[in-house]
Amino acid sequence: RKEVEQDPGPFNVPEGATVAFNCTYSNSASQSFFWYRQDCRKEPKLLMSVYSSGNEDGRFTAQLNRASQYISLLIRDSKLSDSATYLCVVRATSGTYKYIFGTGTRLKVLA
Amino acid sequence: EAGVTQFPSHSVIEKGQTVTLRCDPISGHDNLYWYRRVMGKEIKFLLHFVKESKQDESGMPNNRFLAERTGGTYSTLKVQPAELEDSGVYFCASSQDPRSSYGYTFGSGTRLTVV
Repeated sequence: RKEVEQDPGPFNVPEGATVAFNCTYSNSASQSFFWYRQDCRKEPKLLMSVYSSGNEDGRFTAQLNRASQYISLLIRDSKLSDSATYLCVVRATSGTYKYIFGTGTRLKVLA
Repeated sequence: EAGVTQFPSHSVIEKGQTVTLRCDPISGHDNLYWYRRVMGKEIKFLLHFVKESKQDESGMPNNRFLAERTGGTYSTLKVQPAELEDSGVYFCASSQDPRSSYGYTFGSGTRLTVV
């Protein structure tokens, strides 16, 4: 079983739609979670950290469910520019604090 | 503030040759990471430096890979001799505090193709 699992998609949605991605992680001791965005042939860029109480940044909402060990990302009012791959990241709890990545979920927003 | 810089951006080499990738982290960032994405797979950790010291190299695939960070500034990752399965995108990331909620900053990567 992979440490971080995501549905690879692709998710094809019309502009203005609401879309949600989920991600599950295997290590129940994990404490830190992130969503990164990666455009085609570019580097990953931090979209948002995920806090225990859930957090929102404009059209983006991230939530954490520790009991079920999953993280979600909700995008409201999708824009064409939201088309990208969304990477779920779990940070190791000690030592190097290295990142453990999911394979990413591809989103394509259609005009 | 300059970001994380990697070069070359692309490299095509023949099997058996040597390639050296370079990463310049953000100035003042003591923590430097190397990651790799091979086609169809997730991005995976290779190793972590704190200044010039290797903290964790558990992700290095084998002894054909050698990473250095002399002086604690830029880092190099050498693959010698390269094999076909080494093809992929190699990302470098740096961080001042790896525990912060700001995450790491990634470089734009080196796309390595071994033919």
